[in-house]
Amino acid sequence: KAGVTQTPRYLIKTRGQQVTLSCSPISGHRSVSWYQQTPGQGLQFLFEYFSETQRNKGNFPGRFSGRQFSNSRSEMNVSTLELGDSALYLCASRPSTGGLWGYTFGSGTRLTVV
Amino acid sequence: AQRVTQPEKLLSVFKGAPVELKCNYSYSGSPELFWYVQYSRQRLQLLLRHISRESIKGFTADLNKGETSFHLKKPFAQEEDSAMYYCALSTQGGSEKLVFGKGTKLTVNP
Repeated sequence: KAGVTQTPRYLIKTRGQQVTLSCSPISGHRSVSWYQQTPGQGLQFLFEYFSETQRNKGNFPGRFSGRQFSNSRSEMNVSTLELGDSALYLCASRPSTGGLWGYTFGSGTRLTVV
Repeated sequence: AQRVTQPEKLLSVFKGAPVELKCNYSYSGSPELFWYVQYSRQRLQLLLRHISRESIKGFTADLNKGETSFHLKKPFAQEEDSAMYYCALSTQGGSEKLVFGKGTKLTVNP
């Protein structure tokens, strides 16, 4: 079955702009999480959605937001982009909540802010 | 606060040698621990879950609650094991998230 699909793969934006990233989880997976990966900070949790509800949010400013649709697809939005937002943004899905399930990650969207 | 520490950024061994990647965690609850691996130009993949006590690609990891550790071990390293390895802790309580260590880059030399 298809894996976690993230679009677009690469994105270049200018400071001050806003961006929307998309994630299609594995069919049947209802939990979707987003992570930011940078060389300095590593992998940091952004937020998790389950059944269209945000269940947890990491320590990121309010410029970072997301949502999940009824088909479990998810989008994340970053407004007023800053240079420091340049990163690989990873989406991960799993069948349900509960620590028994490992996450399956997508290939990521590499965002460059210039 | 939850924290995962991987003390070695880089680890280099020779093919056939044993390898141990260290992971220590800090979490007041009952942890669920994972090892993820990222091969060159590939996506992050789940390698092991402590709950399943499995062996994948010859790797094993045992949760030691007393030492708060979850070290990854393989008795005989192979060149194809060269990759970035991340230890991760899953919090509980209905709104789980993964807390990752900074990763260890393993290089297995011929």
